[in-house]
Order: sequence, then structure tokens, then C-alpha cells
Amino acid sequence: GAVVSQHPSRVICKSGTSVKIECRSLDFQATTMFWYRQFPKQSLMLMATSNEGSKATYEQGVEKDKFLINHASLTLSTLTVTSAHPEDSSFYICSARDETGLSYEQYFGPGTRLTVT
Amino acid sequence: AQSVAQPEDQVNVAEGNPLTVKCTYSVSGNPYLFWYVQYPNRGLQFLLKYITGDNLVKGSYGFEAEFNKSQTSFHLKKPSALVSDSALYFCAVALYGNNRLAFGKGNQVVVIP
Repeated sequence: GAVVSQHPSRVICKSGTSVKIECRSLDFQATTMFWYRQFPKQSLMLMATSNEGSKATYEQGVEKDKFLINHASLTLSTLTVTSAHPEDSSFYICSARDETGLSYEQYFGPGTRLTVT
Repeated sequence: AQSVAQPEDQVNVAEGNPLTVKCTYSVSGNPYLFWYVQYPNRGLQFLLKYITGDNLVKGSYGFEAEFNKSQTSFHLKKPSALVSDSALYFCAVALYGNNRLAFGKGNQVVVIP
């Protein structure tokens, strides 16, 4: 089946620094990828929809200047958490839709655990 | 807007017994329905989906789900639970023509040996 990877799997950074998380579709092309945030024992909250070659679409309440999304190719989307603060600590998950078929299925990455100290 | 309700926080079941995880949805159109499972500190793994066709959908690891349009439900079932089925289960719905998935809050399943 389709595989989505994320890098890094874990990252610890100091408050005020920026962190970039990569999301790659390994064996398919995805014009659309999604970024989610998950707090412990809670559901996934959609942050933004990443569109290849155009600006991302952010969900209400998500600061686009803080969570920068770039979707430069059909297999790579990046999420940069700028000027990170401890409250940004969370589990970030990306997904990608295989648009070569009609399955409407999203494939999820393994997630990135961000800890801001 | 679409939404999903998973009414129970945790489902406890003895190993070997049937497992049911409940899900109801709300959408103003034809739904695409999904079940995912998540193990600790991992991403989501796809279990099964309903797009169209037979209401009973069979998926990975012996799981199945039944789409019930009149009750707007898509309950996940497994005839005989295994300890390894202990995980967090998410139901999700997408509206036809819309990429965006709405997730339920998740159900923690605990299978007791």
C-alpha cells in the first residue's frame, strides 16, 4: 500500500527556535496533503490543507504565520513551527491522498513528536 | 459540515469476546466513512472504508463495519478480540467531493487477557 513518511520522528527544541517537519509520499504523488495536530489521548485536529504549487488553506484558529506550510513538489510537504513555545509541544501527523485512484483514502505518516523546552 | 460521534471513551472486552466500537456521523450528503487504528506514539493505520456498495465492509486484521444509513451509523466490529487489538480507534467521515476528514474523538479499546 501507499506509504507516507515523516521526518524527524522526534524533536526537542528550545523556546524561540523554529522547527521543520517533512512529510513525504514515498510511492505516489499527492497534490494535496494534510497536517494534523494531536494532543495526548485526544482526536486529530486538522490544522491545514497543503496544496502543491499554491498556498495552504488553514483551519480557523490556526496561525498561518506561526505554522508555515510549503508544498513544493508532488511528494513533499513541510511544516515549520516558527518561534516555538512550550504550548506548541504536540504530536504532529501528516496525511496524503493518493489521487491516482478513486479511493478517497488518506494515508497517514507515523507522526512527529515535538517537545519545546 | 460533517461530524462524527464516538460515544464511548473506552471499551473493555475480554480476549476472545466480540468487540464493537460505535460511531455515528452527520453529513449533508453521501458520506465516505473510515476507521483507523492508532498505537501509542504512532500515526494512524487504515482499517477499512465505506464508499458505496455493500453495507457490510470487511477490512484489515479481521475487522468489519456496517454502514447503516437510516441510523447514520458505522460501527466497527470484530468477532473475537485479541490482546493486540488494544489501541485507540478513530472513526472519520468525508463528504463526497471534499478532501477534508472529520474525526471522532477516538475510543480506547482495552482487551483483557
